[in-house]
Amino acid sequence: QKEVEQDPGPLSVPEGAIVSLNCTYSNSAFQYFMWYRQYSRKGPELLMYTYSSGNKEDGRFTAQVDKSSKYISLFIRDSQPSDSATYLCAMSPNNAGNMLTFGGGTRLMVKP
Amino acid sequence: GAVVSQHPSRVICKSGTSVKIECRSLDFQATTMFWYRQFPKQSLMLMATSNEGSKATYEQGVEKDKFLINHASLTLSTLTVTSAHPEDSSFYICSARESGGQETQYFGPGTRLLVL
Repeated sequence: QKEVEQDPGPLSVPEGAIVSLNCTYSNSAFQYFMWYRQYSRKGPELLMYTYSSGNKEDGRFTAQVDKSSKYISLFIRDSQPSDSATYLCAMSPNNAGNMLTFGGGTRLMVKP
Repeated sequence: GAVVSQHPSRVICKSGTSVKIECRSLDFQATTMFWYRQFPKQSLMLMATSNEGSKATYEQGVEKDKFLINHASLTLSTLTVTSAHPEDSSFYICSARESGGQETQYFGPGTRLLVL
């Protein structure tokens, strides 16, 4: 069993839909949680960074962490075709700068 | 924001040659840089962690003599793939952690290596 599980998709939604992306994990030591967006043939771009449990909102993006369930989510409101990319969750036990463990990524396609 | 560059973005080489990839933090100092490898439709796999001025720490299964890492300054790390073989063809991505910053990793755009 992988430490971080993420549905690979692809997830196809119409433009304007609310998108829910999720990761589950098994290591209870993880404290820092991140979401990265990766366009094809490009490096990952940091979208959201959260410490411990709770919600964090940034524009159309909301990150949720439920440590009791070992479950994290990224919500995208009013999805746009430009949101089409692979979304990677990542987590770390000590601080967000070291020992990142990545999920396999979910490929999202937003259709106009 | 923090910007990380990589050069070259794409390289094609013959089997047996060595290839050097540069990773630079453009607007911040990075005491720690990381090198990842990513196969098509797969996630990033950490290869090694390099700290400025010291030897890199390699992940299990990564040959340190094949993947030479040098982190000579706070803004530059290099990965040299020595005696490259077709199975080394992959997407290599570096990241840098900003010293004293939010402690997150900022990723470069990646280098696509094709060994013929």
